[in-house]
Amino acid sequence: NAGVTQTPKFQVLKTGQSMTLQCAQDMNHEYMSWYRQDPGMGLRLIHYSVGAGITDQGEVPNGYNVSRSTTEDFPLRLLSAAPSQTSVYFCASRPQGNGELFFGEGSRLTVL
Amino acid sequence: SQELEQSPQSLIVQEGKNLTINCTSSKTLYGLYWYKQKYGEGLIFLMMLQKGGEEKSHEKITAKLDEKKQQSSLHITASQPSHAGIYLCGAPPGSGNTGKLIFGQGTTLQVKP
Repeated sequence: NAGVTQTPKFQVLKTGQSMTLQCAQDMNHEYMSWYRQDPGMGLRLIHYSVGAGITDQGEVPNGYNVSRSTTEDFPLRLLSAAPSQTSVYFCASRPQGNGELFFGEGSRLTVL
Repeated sequence: SQELEQSPQSLIVQEGKNLTINCTSSKTLYGLYWYKQKYGEGLIFLMMLQKGGEEKSHEKITAKLDEKKQQSSLHITASQPSHAGIYLCGAPPGSGNTGKLIFGQGTTLQVKP
């Protein structure tokens, strides 16, 4: 099993550009989520999903969109990139019930 | 909303010394997760605590959950350079099962050889 796979690992954007961070998991997990990590601020939840077709906002959703058309995929879209979105993004998944949250390796995004 | 506060924010210890990192919640804890992250890398799951008073150990790392204090502690015995990194605590924000966690701001640990 590959676990949680994120692409791309690195990306540089100009202000105003749009892009999609891809996240896929092959563990048939119901729960998926996106976090951003900034220095000194830990991980902050952007959006999450409890199953295909169901998404909800986290702590810092502004400027981001998500969709969950399949159990496996949970892409994160930046509509119009801003320098404040420069960060490291992590996708995570978890099965129903209690258990470990599995993280991808992260995507480092720089917005100029 | 629930917040997790970690202390200390950073720590420098001599190799071989013991250390403790605390994670305090502003609300009732319904479980507590500890992760470790090496700089520039992903998150490594350390352990999960679900019940008050629960204590788990893995190699030289022990974590405890004190439900009454709404706090968890992570203790490392005889630290080694391989223990260096960022330690993050996470908790579900409420009793509902949505698969999401909120995290503390992290504790950066340096171990001097």
